[in-house]
Amino acid sequence: GQNIDQPTEMTATEGAIVQINCTYQTSGFNGLFWYQQHAGEAPTFLSYNVLDGLEEKGRFSSFLSRSKGYSYLLLKELQMKDSASYLCAVRDSNYQLIWGAGTKLIIKP
Amino acid sequence: GAVVSQHPSWVICKSGTSVKIECRSLDFQATTMFWYRQFPKQSLMLMATSNEGSKATYEQGVEKDKFLINHASLTLSTLTVTSAHPEDSSFYICSARDQEGGDTGELFFGEGSRLTVL
Repeated sequence: GQNIDQPTEMTATEGAIVQINCTYQTSGFNGLFWYQQHAGEAPTFLSYNVLDGLEEKGRFSSFLSRSKGYSYLLLKELQMKDSASYLCAVRDSNYQLIWGAGTKLIIKP
Repeated sequence: GAVVSQHPSWVICKSGTSVKIECRSLDFQATTMFWYRQFPKQSLMLMATSNEGSKATYEQGVEKDKFLINHASLTLSTLTVTSAHPEDSSFYICSARDQEGGDTGELFFGEGSRLTVL
């Protein structure tokens, strides 16, 4: 079956750096996405990786290793507003998005 | 980025009534829209893929007669929850992909509609 694993919850300190990992087993691979979702709101797009390596976008970076079925989202200079759930999603060979359960990130002052 | 608008953002209804949720792409044409349901502390669950001008494709376990989807134009899809019951209470989210200018696969989400059935 298809599976996306990411930690349920993480806690970090304002101003620090946090890495959220995502591992996947899917039928084929056509890209990996990270979305941010604040409580009670719809997800918003953060990043897209289809090739191995690091994609940097401001304070957020996303890394992909297709051979390992692994990705991480790196958040730097954490701000209180970064408290949210972070969803990892993989597009499989049928171009269907398979969603992880999300990682709830708690930022403490 | 592209904008997807969803309405209403929240609705409370009595058991047995029907509720319609609208999803509009405001600045692009969406031949395909997706409807998700999300229960508290759980991930997004794809309910159906809405195709303009044709029948929706439902995921396994989703009752097509209960969750009616209509995609009558390139900018509007509607989800009607018929004869709603308390177990249908959930956060319903639509999304669409702007397919012009290449395909990173980025999905644009509506604001979501929180349904509470009493």
